Amino acid sequence: GIQVEQSPPDLILQEGANSTLRCNFSDSVNNLQWFHQNPWGQLINLFYIPSGTKQNGRLSATTVATERYSLLYISSSQTTDSGVYFCAVRSGAGSYQLTFGKGTKLSVIP
Amino acid sequence: AAGVIQSPRHLIKEKRETATLKCYPIPRHDTVYWYQQGPGQDPQFLISFYEKMQSDKGSIPDRFSAQQFSDYHSELNMSSLELGDSALYFCASSSTWTDSGNTIYFGEGSWLTVV
Repeated sequence: GIQVEQSPPDLILQEGANSTLRCNFSDSVNNLQWFHQNPWGQLINLFYIPSGTKQNGRLSATTVATERYSLLYISSSQTTDSGVYFCAVRSGAGSYQLTFGKGTKLSVIP
Repeated sequence: AAGVIQSPRHLIKEKRETATLKCYPIPRHDTVYWYQQGPGQDPQFLISFYEKMQSDKGSIPDRFSAQQFSDYHSELNMSSLELGDSALYFCASSSTWTDSGNTIYFGEGSWLTVV
């Protein structure tokens, strides 16, 4: 099956700092989503971005499908950004399942 | 906007008991997914249904079964529970009528603890 690797596994930021999270995947995809899992366990959709660039407030994401990677940018981080960020992909070809990476655990300290 | 509704949110069961989780997808969504997330792990795909028919199957134990009903709600039945079944169970839904069903929306999850 498709492999998804995220880096870094852990990240500690001072409030106000910027960061870049990376997601590499092993095959072509027809779906790539970024999620934020907050400390209460909720999985929150951030972006659906199988290719191209999108921005939403302080967050933006870029997927270069031909090179099989995606980047999530967080600017001016806040303590509420803490949690685990997951990249998940679907390879298509009749598959319905999203395959998740292991996530990046982000801690933003005041 | 309406979201995916899961119930119960928390459940405590003893070993060898049976548990049933319910999921109400976003209205007009035709595909439902179940995921299991163990402590410190990433979510693992269990099973999915499209228009009430099983569409894909992942690492779902034989002790588990699921179905989607005529009103599109889905239930995950787990029997002979083991301690290792303790996890956060997510239901998710998508619609093939919008963006080809590619954006998948997750519910808040059901926390199952087996003691």
